[in-house]
Amino acid sequence: EPEVTQTPSHQVTQMGQEVILRCVPISNHLYFYWYRQILGQKVEFLVSFYNNEISEKSEIFDDQFSVERPDGSNFTLKIRSTKLEDSAMYFCASSEGQRGGLETQYFGPGTRLLVL
Amino acid sequence: QKEVEQNSGPLSVPEGAIASLNCTYSDRGSQSFFWYRQYSGKSPELIMFIYSNGDKEDGRFTAQLNKASQYVSLLIRDSQPSDSATYLCAVSGGSYIPTFGRGTSLIVHP
Repeated sequence: EPEVTQTPSHQVTQMGQEVILRCVPISNHLYFYWYRQILGQKVEFLVSFYNNEISEKSEIFDDQFSVERPDGSNFTLKIRSTKLEDSAMYFCASSEGQRGGLETQYFGPGTRLLVL
Repeated sequence: QKEVEQNSGPLSVPEGAIASLNCTYSDRGSQSFFWYRQYSGKSPELIMFIYSNGDKEDGRFTAQLNKASQYVSLLIRDSQPSDSATYLCAVSGGSYIPTFGRGTSLIVHP
């Protein structure tokens, strides 16, 4: 069964450093998403991406964040200057076809980011 | 601010019993309602989604929606120890941007 993959599974970084989290969506999917979940807190939507553009973004997704689809398979989330409060699990998701709701989204296993 | 509220639990039920998980939401414009299961350190796994008032059944799971009361619930029949997890309620409206609750921890003891 096709699945969304994410690398790395764990990332430790120093405050102020840039990090790039990588995702490989399911191959025929067209919509891509990033979510985050701070430990013990709720899952929060960050951004959706379609046709090489951001479709929607939340208030969390400020100028420190950016997304990119650098090639035909990868989808990345970059945090330019990490803060302690960026420590969280980051989930990538993808969906087939046009503008899928949650029921169409396949979640990856997540990257746990720890900012020291 | 759109809110989705869940009792954090833990909800403890004996094996074989019915577990009832509840969720309320603040946005009356919400259209789609979801239940996820999340094991510790893992990604959310979609269990059920429901759009219309009433009940929707899938195997041991039943989702119940009451839009007038802004209330959605999940019933798990014949609970198993493997059902022990955190259950997340999520809600979305026309924009498709979902709002998640913080989840209810369920413990099914043998």
